[in-house]
Amino acid sequence: EADIYQTPRYLVIGTGKKITLECSQTMGHDKMYWYQQDPGMELHLIHYSYGVNSTEKGDLSSESTVSRIRTEHFPLTLESARPSHTSQYLCASSEGTGTNTIYFGEGSWLTVV
Amino acid sequence: KNQVEQSPQSLIILEGKNCTLQCNYTVSPFSNLRWYKQDTGRGPVSLTIMTFSENTKSNGRYTATLDADTKQSSLHITASQLSDSASYICVVRRFGNEKLTFGTGTRLTIIP
Repeated sequence: EADIYQTPRYLVIGTGKKITLECSQTMGHDKMYWYQQDPGMELHLIHYSYGVNSTEKGDLSSESTVSRIRTEHFPLTLESARPSHTSQYLCASSEGTGTNTIYFGEGSWLTVV
Repeated sequence: KNQVEQSPQSLIILEGKNCTLQCNYTVSPFSNLRWYKQDTGRGPVSLTIMTFSENTKSNGRYTATLDADTKQSSLHITASQLSDSASYICVVRRFGNEKLTFGTGTRLTIIP
């Protein structure tokens, strides 16, 4: 069972609002990731971190930002939400690379109206 | 064009029956291939991870095969159960970097 938690699970907000999606893991993993997934589509990496104070942009361009101040915490922020940001956001973590298992959270469904 | 293609896109089978899902990839150089199960509205859960030297790997009723020469993998589900209804995602990691390429998944529905 993966010990990685995301909040909120579901969020409906108005255009222009600032939102933060929370992600925490209790496994002590250095590597953490944010993926974006539209219904029926593949996952796309938008941000990743290899440790505290380390963040990088992923393959898919995103207007969101992330921070990694503590090992266990990797929040994602949208300063001004737009309808185009409507999607599912999945947080994940792994102990290392190579064949290490990547554990996913339950996801945060964001709807911007 | 996605470098990981899965087929079929969706599949409906009767409870108790077996099924096989396919994954073809062009990701190169190859490091490893993963199968994930994703229930509706939930995060993916890892089923198997296979390197190029592994031909078969099992996890309970799930058996994955890999042919690194033809760049094909399959996931075989034996004696399906209603709880197997989910999307099954094939993921390939490129050797040398962290990049994972995800397929769009096969949507499997088990009916009683």
